[in-house]
Amino acid sequence: SQQGEEDPQALSIQEGENATMNCSYKTSINNLQWYRQNSGRGLVHLILIRSNEREKHSGRLRVTLDTSKKSSSLLITASRAADTASYFCATGENRDDKIIFGKGTRLHILP
Amino acid sequence: KAGVTQTPRYLIKTRGQQVTLSCSPISGHRSVSWYQQTPGQGLQFLFEYFSETQRNKGNFPGRFSGRQFSNSRSEMNVSTLELGDSALYLCASSPNGQGLTGELFFGEGSRLTVL
Repeated sequence: SQQGEEDPQALSIQEGENATMNCSYKTSINNLQWYRQNSGRGLVHLILIRSNEREKHSGRLRVTLDTSKKSSSLLITASRAADTASYFCATGENRDDKIIFGKGTRLHILP
Repeated sequence: KAGVTQTPRYLIKTRGQQVTLSCSPISGHRSVSWYQQTPGQGLQFLFEYFSETQRNKGNFPGRFSGRQFSNSRSEMNVSTLELGDSALYLCASSPNGQGLTGELFFGEGSRLTVL
């Protein structure tokens, strides 16, 4: 079963613009992570934010977490062609220590 | 350090057959998790093994099974294949288990096509 739901399902923006993706989840979590997947490849970990953190940065990535709204957002600034990929949020559940993934946002950076 | 290695990368089977997929985790990682990825359902958690014991499992039928060896390498098996089992099967390793460290390191996946 899915825990996280990403929004939008697909996003196309011009190179250089910022991209924002959102994730909503349902149950209590230990942490929330974002992963990137290039077409048909394995997933690559981008960033992890713990339930007691509100914001985290890594290079051009900024993640926020609002546990009261059970939501997170991933912002990619100054997008590049190489950012074209699918992005998944994944939640570490308190209940049974599983990491559950959403269905992802497909991001396409236009030249 | 070598990454997570999955074999085979591609395979084609027919309905009713069985398949075994292999995953070698990053050296020193004791946890191996398996996920099934399909366009319609996204990434679905299959199971996690830690020190040769299944720690967690998802909601898949008993046709899906796995095991982990003393060197942390893991295999998953799907018996009596169905068309709907066509998917990318992803293996991920972590040092101490999903619940403890969070970050997963993924292999490139094994793409299974069932005809």
